[in-house]
Amino acid sequence: AQSVTQPDIHITVSEGASLELRCNYSYGATPYLFWYVQSPGQGLQLLLKYFSGDTLVQGIKGFEAEFKRSQSSFNLRKPSVHWSDAAEYFCAVGAVQGAQKLVFGQGTRLTINP
Amino acid sequence: NAGVTQTPKFRVLKTGQSMTLLCAQDMNHEYMYWYRQDPGMGLRLIHYSVGEGTTAKGEVPDGYNVSRLKKQNFLLGLESAAPSQTSVYFCASIKMNTGELFFGEGSRLTVL
Repeated sequence: AQSVTQPDIHITVSEGASLELRCNYSYGATPYLFWYVQSPGQGLQLLLKYFSGDTLVQGIKGFEAEFKRSQSSFNLRKPSVHWSDAAEYFCAVGAVQGAQKLVFGQGTRLTINP
Repeated sequence: NAGVTQTPKFRVLKTGQSMTLLCAQDMNHEYMYWYRQDPGMGLRLIHYSVGEGTTAKGEVPDGYNVSRLKKQNFLLGLESAAPSQTSVYFCASIKMNTGELFFGEGSRLTVL
């Protein structure tokens, strides 16, 4: 069965510091991979996605993620975080075809220190 | 541009009561989903629909029913609410050519 693991429940970084959020997945076929962000009291917004091709994908708000098939990972990075990046981040995996039933990780809550 | 709209946004129920959550999308998407979000568990799929008149079970369907009588609407029902159904519920629809899920703002349900 497919699964997604986000090992870090809560991460705190200083404003201006670099960020990496980890995501490992288990999937029996070619996956679609996503990162979503959720601000307090809001729904989820897509940051970026990987379907195929270049394993380094760029998203909105200056985020990027790298797909590493050998490590079953899809880590999210940002070179310099801003206070507005404080939110919860979810990694998700889905099928290339079919009903697109995404499986989400547990989420990583990001706190930014001024 | 409304996107995905959920009503109500907040509801408190007593054990055994019933209620329906309504999800409406104005993007003409075929596929729609209901997820529940609980602390430390991410989002878990309750039911989904691949088109008008069709529904299917997700990961945690017990205690819930759904209907998709119109393409733009996807209803989630609780026939006899239980405290374990206290959660935040999210509806989503998918843009098939990009695979992007569009989410509503959530409905917070408390069952006493």
